[in-house]
Amino acid sequence: KAGVTQTPRYLIKTRGQQVTLSCSPISGHRSVSWYQQTPGQGLQFLFEYFSETQRNKGNFPGRFSGRQFSNSRSEMNVSTLELGDSALYLCASGGVDGYTFGSGTRLTVV
Amino acid sequence: AQSVTQLGSHVSVSEGALVLLRCNYSSSVPPYLFWYVQYPNQGLQLLLKYTTGATLVKGINGFEAEFKKSETSFHLTKPSAHMSDAAEYFCAVSVTGNQFYFGTGTSLTVIP
Repeated sequence: KAGVTQTPRYLIKTRGQQVTLSCSPISGHRSVSWYQQTPGQGLQFLFEYFSETQRNKGNFPGRFSGRQFSNSRSEMNVSTLELGDSALYLCASGGVDGYTFGSGTRLTVV
Repeated sequence: AQSVTQLGSHVSVSEGALVLLRCNYSSSVPPYLFWYVQYPNQGLQLLLKYTTGATLVKGINGFEAEFKKSETSFHLTKPSAHMSDAAEYFCAVSVTGNQFYFGTGTSLTVIP
């Protein structure tokens, strides 16, 4: 079966801009979670969506938001980008067989 | 609240030697425990997981881990290291099954 697809793989943005990242989960999976990975803070949970509803949320400012569509695809949006938002953003697709991670989107804020 | 501590941010072993990566967790309720591996510029790949039942869990690529409730540990082992095992390893805990708390990772170097 196809894996978790995250687009784009790499992104460079300027401070103050906003960005949208996309995650297409494994077919049949209804849960999508997002994580931020940085050298300083490690892997941190952002939020989880299930059937278009946010089910859990981590401790991130309101600039970080997300949504899930009826086909389970999810988007994550970061507004007013800061240098500290530079990170690898990982999406995880969840079903009865557990969670599978995508390869991530590497965001660089300059 | 849940948390994970991985002892040793860097571990080096010789090819063919035993691999031991340490993980201790904190959880107020019985947890699910996981080990993931990450290669450069890649996502996380599940090595193994403990949910319930047998406390010795076997995973992919010859790795295994033992859940020890009394020690709140879930150490990862492999009898014989291979060059291809060089990567970053993450231990994670979850009580809901859909939100993971990760350790800070252990970078494994395999010396030929």
